[in-house]
Amino acid sequence: NAGVTQTPKFRVLKTGQSMTLLCAQDMNHEYMYWYRQDPGMGLRLIHYSVGEGTTAKGEVPDGYNVSRLKKQNFLLGLESAAPSQTSVYFCASTFVLADADEQFFGPGTRLTVL
Amino acid sequence: AQKITQTQPGMFVQEKEAVTLDCTYDTSDPSYGLFWYKQPSSGEMIFLIYQGSYDQQNATEGRYSLNFQKARKSANLVISASQLGDSAMYFCAMREALYNAGNMLTFGGGTRLMVKP
Repeated sequence: NAGVTQTPKFRVLKTGQSMTLLCAQDMNHEYMYWYRQDPGMGLRLIHYSVGEGTTAKGEVPDGYNVSRLKKQNFLLGLESAAPSQTSVYFCASTFVLADADEQFFGPGTRLTVL
Repeated sequence: AQKITQTQPGMFVQEKEAVTLDCTYDTSDPSYGLFWYKQPSSGEMIFLIYQGSYDQQNATEGRYSLNFQKARKSANLVISASQLGDSAMYFCAMREALYNAGNMLTFGGGTRLMVKP
């Protein structure tokens, strides 16, 4: 079991460039999430998905789009990157069959926008 | 208002001593869950412990225990017998049941714990 994996691990973009972050999980989880973590801060939810083909906005969705075409994959897109999107991006997934079901996190993607 | 507040940006503890990391939360939902995660310098998020709002007893997992005081809306993490490997950021998070179809977590700002040898 690889758990939750993220591609790429690091990326440097110029302002205005676009990119897609890929998250994959092999635990058959229904729920998937994208967070961003800025220096010295907690995680903030960008978008989430409760199942294949469905997505919804989180706390800080502006400037991002997502897609969940396959249950195991959750993609985060930046159409026109801005320096304010410099951050560490985490993907997570969970079952939510029981109250105690925790979210499993990927290793993170460190993105710098110049 | 902040839903999750961690008032200690940084803390030191002597190796082998116990330490308490504070977490207070704000919700009107009677059904909620509280989670603690550890983030070492390598960056990954590691789940430590869970406490449900209806749980009668405080949660424990090895050296981790949760001091849950529902009336005070606090869910402090207690680490017993600190080890050097406990040096990390610690995040408290809450999952409310109402109006939360996505079972989303709200995170606090974190506490950086540093264990001194």
